[in-house]
Amino acid sequence: DAGVTQSPTHLIKTRGQQVTLRCSPKSGHDTVSWYQQALGQGPQFIFQYYEEEERQRGNFPDRFSGHQFPNYSSELNVNALLLGDSALYLCASSFDREQFFGPGTRLTVL
Amino acid sequence: AQKITQTQPGMFVQEKEAVTLDCTYDTSDQSYGLFWYKQPSSGEMIFLIYQGSYDEQNATEGRYSLNFQKARKSANLVISASQLGDSAMYFCAMRGTITQGGSEKLVFGKGMKLTVNP
Repeated sequence: DAGVTQSPTHLIKTRGQQVTLRCSPKSGHDTVSWYQQALGQGPQFIFQYYEEEERQRGNFPDRFSGHQFPNYSSELNVNALLLGDSALYLCASSFDREQFFGPGTRLTVL
Repeated sequence: AQKITQTQPGMFVQEKEAVTLDCTYDTSDQSYGLFWYKQPSSGEMIFLIYQGSYDEQNATEGRYSLNFQKARKSANLVISASQLGDSAMYFCAMRGTITQGGSEKLVFGKGMKLTVNP
Protein backbone atom coordinates (compact mmCIF):
# COMPACT_ATOMS: atom_id res chain seq x y z
CA ASP A 1 0.00 0.00 0.00
CA ALA A 2 1.69 3.17 -1.21
CA GLY A 3 1.68 6.07 1.18
CA VAL A 4 1.39 9.73 0.29
CA THR A 5 3.66 10.66 -2.59
CA GLN A 6 4.79 14.12 -3.65
CA SER A 7 6.63 15.43 -6.67
CA PRO A 8 9.08 16.85 -7.31
CA THR A 9 11.38 16.23 -4.36
CA HIS A 10 13.32 19.43 -4.82
CA LEU A 11 12.71 22.52 -6.92
CA ILE A 12 14.63 25.72 -7.54
CA LYS A 13 12.83 28.76 -8.95
CA THR A 14 13.52 32.46 -9.27
CA ARG A 15 11.45 35.32 -7.93
CA GLY A 16 8.34 36.05 -9.93
CA GLN A 17 8.05 32.58 -11.40
CA GLN A 18 5.19 30.18 -10.90
CA VAL A 19 5.40 26.66 -9.48
CA THR A 20 3.16 23.60 -9.32
CA LEU A 21 3.60 20.90 -6.71
CA ARG A 22 1.82 17.56 -6.88
CA CYS A 23 0.48 15.13 -4.31
CA SER A 24 -1.03 11.65 -4.54
CA PRO A 25 -2.91 10.63 -1.41
CA LYS A 26 -2.77 7.34 0.39
CA SER A 27 -5.12 4.76 -1.07
CA GLY A 28 -8.66 5.24 0.24
CA HIS A 29 -8.09 8.81 1.41
CA ASP A 30 -10.36 11.52 0.03
CA THR A 31 -9.07 14.64 1.77
CA VAL A 32 -5.81 16.40 0.98
CA SER A 33 -4.24 19.17 3.04
CA TRP A 34 -1.22 21.29 2.18
CA TYR A 35 1.21 22.77 4.69
CA GLN A 36 4.19 25.11 4.41
CA GLN A 37 7.12 24.52 6.73
CA ALA A 38 9.71 27.29 6.84
CA LEU A 39 13.16 26.42 8.16
CA GLY A 40 13.12 25.94 11.91
CA GLN A 41 9.36 26.25 12.20
CA GLY A 42 6.38 23.96 12.50
CA PRO A 43 4.16 23.37 9.47
CA GLN A 44 1.57 26.03 8.70
CA PHE A 45 -1.78 25.06 7.17
CA ILE A 46 -2.32 26.41 3.66
CA PHE A 47 -5.60 24.80 2.59
CA GLN A 48 -7.57 21.58 2.46
CA TYR A 49 -9.40 19.94 -0.41
CA TYR A 50 -12.34 17.58 -0.16
CA GLU A 51 -14.57 16.41 -2.99
CA GLU A 52 -12.60 18.58 -5.42
CA GLU A 53 -13.37 21.78 -3.51
CA GLU A 54 -11.33 23.96 -1.19
CA ARG A 55 -12.96 23.41 2.16
CA GLN A 56 -10.65 25.26 4.52
CA ARG A 57 -7.98 27.85 4.02
CA GLY A 58 -5.24 29.16 6.26
CA ASN A 59 -3.76 32.64 6.33
CA PHE A 60 -2.07 32.55 2.93
CA PRO A 61 -2.46 35.03 0.05
CA ASP A 62 -4.34 34.32 -3.15
CA ARG A 63 -1.02 33.60 -4.86
CA PHE A 64 -1.44 30.18 -3.31
CA SER A 65 -4.08 28.13 -5.08
CA GLY A 66 -4.86 24.49 -5.47
CA HIS A 67 -6.87 21.83 -7.16
CA GLN A 68 -8.11 18.35 -6.39
CA PHE A 69 -8.80 15.86 -9.15
CA PRO A 70 -11.48 13.14 -9.26
CA ASN A 71 -8.89 10.55 -8.23
CA TYR A 72 -8.25 12.68 -5.08
CA SER A 73 -4.75 13.72 -6.14
CA SER A 74 -3.99 17.38 -5.68
CA GLU A 75 -1.85 20.23 -6.93
CA LEU A 76 -0.56 23.31 -5.14
CA ASN A 77 0.18 26.32 -7.33
CA VAL A 78 2.12 29.36 -6.22
CA ASN A 79 2.27 32.42 -8.46
CA ALA A 80 4.67 35.36 -8.39
CA LEU A 81 7.14 33.57 -6.16
CA LEU A 82 8.82 35.51 -3.36
CA LEU A 83 12.04 34.70 -1.55
CA GLY A 84 9.92 34.03 1.53
CA ASP A 85 8.13 31.20 -0.24
CA SER A 86 11.24 29.07 0.16
CA ALA A 87 10.16 26.21 2.38
CA LEU A 88 9.28 22.54 2.64
CA TYR A 89 5.78 21.96 1.31
CA LEU A 90 4.04 19.02 2.88
CA CYS A 91 0.96 17.26 1.64
CA ALA A 92 -1.19 15.23 4.00
CA SER A 93 -4.04 12.92 3.15
CA SER A 94 -6.76 11.67 5.44
CA PHE A 95 -10.02 9.80 5.49
CA ASP A 96 -11.08 10.29 9.05
CA ARG A 97 -9.01 11.33 12.02
CA GLU A 98 -5.39 10.75 11.20
CA GLN A 99 -3.42 12.73 8.64
CA PHE A 100 -0.62 10.92 6.81
CA PHE A 101 2.12 13.12 5.44
CA GLY A 102 4.19 12.77 2.31
CA PRO A 103 7.94 13.33 2.15
CA GLY A 104 7.50 16.93 1.06
CA THR A 105 8.79 19.13 -1.75
CA ARG A 106 11.62 21.45 -0.87
CA LEU A 107 11.20 24.69 -2.79
CA THR A 108 14.05 27.18 -3.04
CA VAL A 109 13.34 30.61 -4.48
CA LEU A 110 16.41 32.57 -5.63
CA ALA B 1 -7.98 30.12 17.99
CA GLN B 2 -5.90 27.08 18.73
CA LYS B 3 -2.32 27.27 19.89
CA ILE B 4 0.39 24.74 20.64
CA THR B 5 3.39 25.64 22.76
CA GLN B 6 6.61 23.64 22.84
CA THR B 7 9.14 25.49 24.95
CA GLN B 8 12.03 23.03 24.90
CA PRO B 9 14.23 23.89 21.89
CA GLY B 10 16.29 20.78 22.30
CA MET B 11 16.93 17.84 24.58
CA PHE B 12 19.66 15.26 24.98
CA VAL B 13 19.08 11.78 26.36
CA GLN B 14 21.20 8.69 26.77
CA GLU B 15 20.31 5.61 24.80
CA LYS B 16 17.88 3.30 26.65
CA GLU B 17 16.70 6.06 28.98
CA ALA B 18 13.18 7.50 29.01
CA VAL B 19 12.51 11.09 27.94
CA THR B 20 9.51 13.41 28.22
CA LEU B 21 8.78 16.04 25.58
CA ASP B 22 6.54 18.87 26.76
CA CYS B 23 3.51 20.26 24.97
CA THR B 24 0.83 22.65 26.18
CA TYR B 25 -2.16 23.72 24.18
CA ASP B 26 -4.94 26.25 24.13
CA THR B 27 -8.35 25.89 22.52
CA SER B 28 -11.96 26.85 23.06
CA ASP B 29 -13.21 23.67 21.41
CA GLN B 30 -14.80 21.08 23.65
CA SER B 31 -13.84 18.27 21.30
CA TYR B 32 -10.33 18.17 19.94
CA GLY B 33 -7.47 15.84 19.17
CA LEU B 34 -3.80 15.96 20.01
CA PHE B 35 -1.04 14.45 17.92
CA TRP B 36 2.66 13.91 18.07
CA TYR B 37 4.73 13.66 14.92
CA LYS B 38 8.39 12.82 14.40
CA GLN B 39 10.31 14.52 11.62
CA PRO B 40 13.74 13.06 10.79
CA SER B 41 16.19 15.01 8.68
CA SER B 42 14.60 13.54 5.55
CA GLY B 43 11.60 15.82 6.15
CA GLU B 44 8.69 13.40 6.28
CA MET B 45 6.28 13.84 9.20
CA ILE B 46 5.77 10.48 10.87
CA PHE B 47 2.67 9.99 13.00
CA LEU B 48 3.46 8.69 16.48
CA ILE B 49 0.41 8.91 18.69
CA TYR B 50 -3.07 10.42 19.04
CA GLN B 51 -5.15 11.46 22.05
CA GLY B 52 -8.77 12.50 21.82
CA SER B 53 -10.05 15.05 24.28
CA TYR B 54 -12.74 12.66 25.52
CA ASP B 55 -10.47 9.62 25.77
CA GLU B 56 -10.42 8.54 29.40
CA GLN B 57 -7.16 6.66 29.17
CA ASN B 58 -3.79 8.01 28.11
CA ALA B 59 -2.83 6.84 24.64
CA THR B 60 0.01 4.38 24.17
CA GLU B 61 1.70 3.16 20.99
CA GLY B 62 4.61 0.83 21.62
CA ARG B 63 7.41 2.86 23.22
CA TYR B 64 5.37 6.06 22.98
CA SER B 65 2.83 7.19 25.53
CA LEU B 66 1.00 10.45 25.90
CA ASN B 67 0.63 11.98 29.35
CA PHE B 68 -2.66 13.83 28.89
CA GLN B 69 -3.63 16.28 31.63
CA LYS B 70 -6.75 18.00 30.40
CA ALA B 71 -7.15 20.46 33.27
CA ARG B 72 -3.60 21.67 32.77
CA LYS B 73 -3.96 21.58 28.98
CA SER B 74 -0.83 19.55 28.57
CA ALA B 75 -0.09 16.58 26.32
CA ASN B 76 3.45 15.46 26.97
CA LEU B 77 5.04 12.68 24.94
CA VAL B 78 6.98 10.04 26.81
CA ILE B 79 9.45 7.90 24.91
CA SER B 80 10.63 4.88 26.85
CA ALA B 81 13.93 3.12 26.18
CA SER B 82 15.29 5.73 23.75
CA GLN B 83 17.03 4.49 20.64
CA LEU B 84 19.59 6.22 18.42
CA GLY B 85 16.97 6.30 15.66
CA ASP B 86 14.76 8.46 17.84
CA SER B 87 17.01 11.45 17.16
CA ALA B 88 14.78 13.84 15.21
CA MET B 89 12.51 16.86 15.46
CA TYR B 90 9.29 16.25 17.35
CA PHE B 91 6.11 18.23 16.79
CA CYS B 92 3.00 18.43 18.89
CA ALA B 93 -0.17 19.30 16.97
CA MET B 94 -3.84 19.67 17.60
CA ARG B 95 -7.00 19.42 15.59
CA GLY B 96 -10.26 21.07 16.48
CA THR B 97 -13.77 19.75 16.13
CA ILE B 98 -14.14 17.63 13.02
CA THR B 99 -16.58 19.20 10.61
CA GLN B 100 -18.85 17.20 8.35
CA GLY B 101 -17.00 14.72 6.20
CA GLY B 102 -13.25 14.69 6.73
CA SER B 103 -10.61 16.11 8.98
CA GLU B 104 -9.90 19.50 10.42
CA LYS B 105 -6.62 21.28 9.86
CA LEU B 106 -3.73 20.60 12.20
CA VAL B 107 -2.10 23.38 14.19
CA PHE B 108 1.53 22.62 15.00
CA GLY B 109 3.95 23.80 17.62
CA LYS B 110 7.44 24.97 16.71
CA GLY B 111 8.90 21.58 17.50
CA MET B 112 11.83 20.44 19.56
CA LYS B 113 14.98 18.58 18.65
CA LEU B 114 15.76 15.34 20.45
CA THR B 115 19.25 13.92 20.34
CA VAL B 116 19.87 10.41 21.63
CA ASN B 117 23.47 9.77 22.63
CA PRO B 118 25.07 6.30 22.65
